[in-house]
Amino acid sequence: DIQVTQSPSSLPASVGDRVTITCRTSQSISNYLNWYQQQPGKAPKLLIYSATNLQSGVPSRFSGSGSETDFTLTISSLQPEDFATYYCQQSYTTPPRTFGQGTKLEIK
Amino acid sequence: EVQLVESGGGLVQPGGSLRLSCAASGFTFSGYSMNWVRQAPGKGLEWLSFIRSSGSPIYYADSVKGRFAISRDDAKSTLYLQMNSLRAEDTGIYYCARDRDFMTDALDIWGPGTMVTVSS
Repeated sequence: DIQVTQSPSSLPASVGDRVTITCRTSQSISNYLNWYQQQPGKAPKLLIYSATNLQSGVPSRFSGSGSETDFTLTISSLQPEDFATYYCQQSYTTPPRTFGQGTKLEIK
Repeated sequence: EVQLVESGGGLVQPGGSLRLSCAASGFTFSGYSMNWVRQAPGKGLEWLSFIRSSGSPIYYADSVKGRFAISRDDAKSTLYLQMNSLRAEDTGIYYCARDRDFMTDALDIWGPGTMVTVSS
């Protein structure tokens, strides 16, 4: 199975900061990497698909980059509603479609 | 409005069974592959199962293989998860999620989830 390692697990930040979350896979997955945001008590929401593509309706301050085994999610200027938990997921192989462990973006 | 709504969760004893349903609306359900994903209390997301729009193939995570069964009824626009031999570690929120498309396999629509508690 492909292992997905996400870092950091927790990220203190302030409104207006630029933040980056990293996801690394145990083998090459081309660009089959997706990013989700989960607010407390809510279902996850798709932000980025295929490593770099912004899902419809997602603000342009979110961006994704990377390929093969190393990927990043960047938020250019944090807004109050962005404090949430973020997950990456590989969709190169099924089964399983492994999620990363999650990154909790917290108010500093 | 495109939406998914899960139902069927609840409290069940270890070794028991439960069937979850996921009602789809606002899109042509038969044209999309579907998934189940769960989240244990305070933990991350765990992908559980996939069913192609055509009904085949079907895939499972090792943690539920042989105990859970995914199925769909396109006439009713409903996805199911039959869960047997339930264990305490199966406790969590269960989400159904739609595959965005064949090429990306991203999960673009999620239901609000249904809670399953396995306890005596």
